Amino acid sequence: DGGITQSPKYLFRKEGQNVTLSCEQNLNHDAMYWYRQDPGQGLRLIYYSQIVNDFQKGDIAEGYSVSREKKESFPLTVTSAQKNPTAFYLCASSSRQGGSGLYGYTFGSGTRLTVV
Amino acid sequence: QKEVEQNSGPLSVPEGAIASLNCTYSDRGSQSFFWYRQYSGKSPELIMFIYSNGDKEDGSFTAQLNKASQYVSLLIRDSQPSDSATYLCAVNRPGGGNKLTFGTGTQLKVEL
Repeated sequence: DGGITQSPKYLFRKEGQNVTLSCEQNLNHDAMYWYRQDPGQGLRLIYYSQIVNDFQKGDIAEGYSVSREKKESFPLTVTSAQKNPTAFYLCASSSRQGGSGLYGYTFGSGTRLTVV
Repeated sequence: QKEVEQNSGPLSVPEGAIASLNCTYSDRGSQSFFWYRQYSGKSPELIMFIYSNGDKEDGSFTAQLNKASQYVSLLIRDSQPSDSATYLCAVNRPGGGNKLTFGTGTQLKVEL
């Protein structure tokens, strides 16, 4: 079955530590996204990528980094520079269409990151 | 003004009733509108999308769009306890990249 796999489901980070969240999709989607969700807030865009080897900052990119070396994979690294990383992280993908053809996202199951 | 606004709720409706969820958006250039359902502790699931003014029906869901008023709504007919969840409204950002802006969601509770 096609879908998006995020791992791990739960992650605990110590102060000053970098951690990497995995996101893999087999939907053959061109575009991939990382969002962060905090209680009482909407999803906020961290980074996005429309094609392999290219990605752009979203609204809250500080303290995060990404790579897009393969179409299927879009890992997110939460660095020690991110001062408040505790949140629910969601990876999504979508078909990239030219013009006005836009499609909704398919989301992975999420990674819940906690600073300890 | 928030880019996408939703009443946080909770919205409580009795089983079998119609639940009406509302969303307003600020960017007149937005062309695509989505409704996601999110159960507690889970990731969002796409349930409806609408691009044109008017109504769009899919099963027990009806999405309504009024671009002149910058308003989109979701109706859930014959609500069931399994519909109890948070419903997120999402709107595309003009300018490419297929980026969506999400509202904070409306919590729906369907009571027996």
